[in-house]
Amino acid sequence: GQNIDQPTEMTATEGAIVQINCTYQTSGFNGLFWYQQHAGEAPTFLSYNVLDGLEEKGRFSSFLSRSKGYSYLLLKELQMKDSASYLCAVRDRRMDSNYQLIWGAGTKLIIKP
Amino acid sequence: ETGVTQTPRHLVMGMTNKKSLKCEQHLGHNAMYWYKQSAKKPLELMFVYSLEERVENNSVPSRFSPECPNSSHLFLHLHTLQPEDSALYLCASSRYRGQDVPYEQYFGPGTRLTVT
Repeated sequence: GQNIDQPTEMTATEGAIVQINCTYQTSGFNGLFWYQQHAGEAPTFLSYNVLDGLEEKGRFSSFLSRSKGYSYLLLKELQMKDSASYLCAVRDRRMDSNYQLIWGAGTKLIIKP
Repeated sequence: ETGVTQTPRHLVMGMTNKKSLKCEQHLGHNAMYWYKQSAKKPLELMFVYSLEERVENNSVPSRFSPECPNSSHLFLHLHTLQPEDSALYLCASSRYRGQDVPYEQYFGPGTRLTVT
């Protein structure tokens, strides 16, 4: 079947580093997205990985290992505004629809001073 | 107006009411989506419109009815809803160029729906 797992909630300290993990099981992996969603707001795109390795974008980096069905989002130099939910979503080319993503339930990240 | 907009932002309706949610995208995209987001659950894709094609999740009840008059506007018509339909309804849009060309989706702020 198809499934995505990510921790429900994490807590970190301002200025520190946090890693949010995402594991997935799909039969036709075709890319992985990370989105950020602040409470009461729209999800916004953070990153996309389709090949193994690390993609860096400023304070945020995303890593993918296709053989392990594993990704992580790394947030450095945490700021209070990084308090949000982080959603992992996977494209599976075997899904009936070309448009469907398999979504995780999201990880709520709480940043403390 | 830029990005993806949704109205209303909040809606309270009784089970016998009929209401509609509206979404508009100003990004020149050719695919639009309706999602349902319930607390602590994954986003649930309800409907997609792209390149004249409509795709739907077969598990969505018929009390939800989408309409896409053009590539910039999307509606979700609601009638005789149930309390369990209370959720955040998100609209999104993206470009679409085929299965092997993934594009990120841009989301609207959502409509918080409460069914009493």
